[in-house]
Order: sequence, then C-alpha cells, then structure tokens
Amino acid sequence: AQSVTQPDIHITVSEGASLELRCNYSYGATPYLFWYVQSPGQGLQLLLKYFSGDTLVQGIKGFEAEFKRSQSSFNLRKPSVHWSDAAEYFCAVGGAAGNKLTFGGGTRVLVKP
Amino acid sequence: DVKVTQSSRYLVKRTGEKVFLECVQDMDHENMFWYRQDPGLGLRLIYFSYDVKMKEKGDIPEGYSVSREKKERFSLILESASTNQTSMYLCASSLFTSATYNEQFFGPGTRLTVL
Repeated sequence: AQSVTQPDIHITVSEGASLELRCNYSYGATPYLFWYVQSPGQGLQLLLKYFSGDTLVQGIKGFEAEFKRSQSSFNLRKPSVHWSDAAEYFCAVGGAAGNKLTFGGGTRVLVKP
Repeated sequence: DVKVTQSSRYLVKRTGEKVFLECVQDMDHENMFWYRQDPGLGLRLIYFSYDVKMKEKGDIPEGYSVSREKKERFSLILESASTNQTSMYLCASSLFTSATYNEQFFGPGTRLTVL
C-alpha cells in the first residue's frame, strides 16, 4: 500500500526567508508525486507534479520540488516566501490503479512579517 | 477553467439525519472523488467513481454511500449522520487516462457539523 508522511505539522518562517517542506512516501514502484496548496477557506490547488524525467520540477508561485528516489522523498522548496504563501500544503502519491491519490497529513505554514 | 462546485459551504445537521452532499463539475471529467479532511490526518478518500453508475470504496467508506446518475454530478450520502462525521468534505474530479495520472481539481469544500 502507498503512504505519505509529512513530518512537520507546522512551520513558521519569516517573509523573505527560504522554505522547505518535507515529504516522504512509500510505494513499491516509481510513484506519481504531487504537491497541493490549500489557502484558508479554499479548495486544494496543484502546485506541481512529478511523473518521470528531470528530478527537479518547477511549479507555480515560484515553488520547486526535488524527487530523490534513494531517500523516498519529494521535498518542496521556495527561495523567498511571501505573506500570501501562508497556507496548508499537502504532498500526495499516486501509483495504484484508478487515479487514486494518497495524501499526507499536511504542513501548515505561517509567515511572520 | 475547470470548476468543481459543492452545494453548501457550511452545513449543520442533527445526529441520525440523512445528509446529502452534492458535487458538480463542468469539464466532462470521468473521475470524481469524495474526501474528508481532518486536522493532522490530511485528506482521506471515502469513495470514487470512474463513470456514471460506477463507484468504488476508498479508504474510509463506512457510514457513507454515493450516487452518480449523471457524469457531472457525484453525491455523497450520510445515511444516518453521527457526531464523528463532523468534518470538512472535499469533492474532486479528474480526466481518466489509463497510462498516467491527471490533476485532480477540487471544490471549495463543505464543512459539516453534526450535533
């Protein structure tokens, strides 16, 4: 069975500082990996996805993520955080049939002025 | 733009009531999903559907059923609501492509409180 762990429940970062959110997955074959963001009161929006090829993927809003097979990780990064990045972030893995995704528990990001 | 709409943003029901949550998508997607979102647990899949009248159980189907009579509409039913079903419910849809995964598009969610 596939699973996702996001070790950090909350992260506080100063505006302008860099941000890294951790994601570890468990899946026997090559996974499909996603990062979604949920702003307060909103549904989830896709930030980026990894299917194959280049292990560093670029997404929207200045985010990027790196797939590391040896570490079963897919960490999300942003070089300089803006106040509007305050949100909850979810990592998800797909691999089983049927387009199902398994989500991690989420990381809530707070941005200090 | 893909749009997934959910019938209510907030809903308050009493224990034992039958509850219907409606979801409509406007992009002719084959796949539709119902999740519940709880703090610290992320999103957990309740049911999903590949096509009209097709449904499959997700990870936590107990206490729920679904209905998909039309391609654009996917309903979640709580046959007899209980307090432990108080949660945020999210609907999503995606295209079906056999060889790959497609982005799931999410609705804004329905926050259900069962008293």
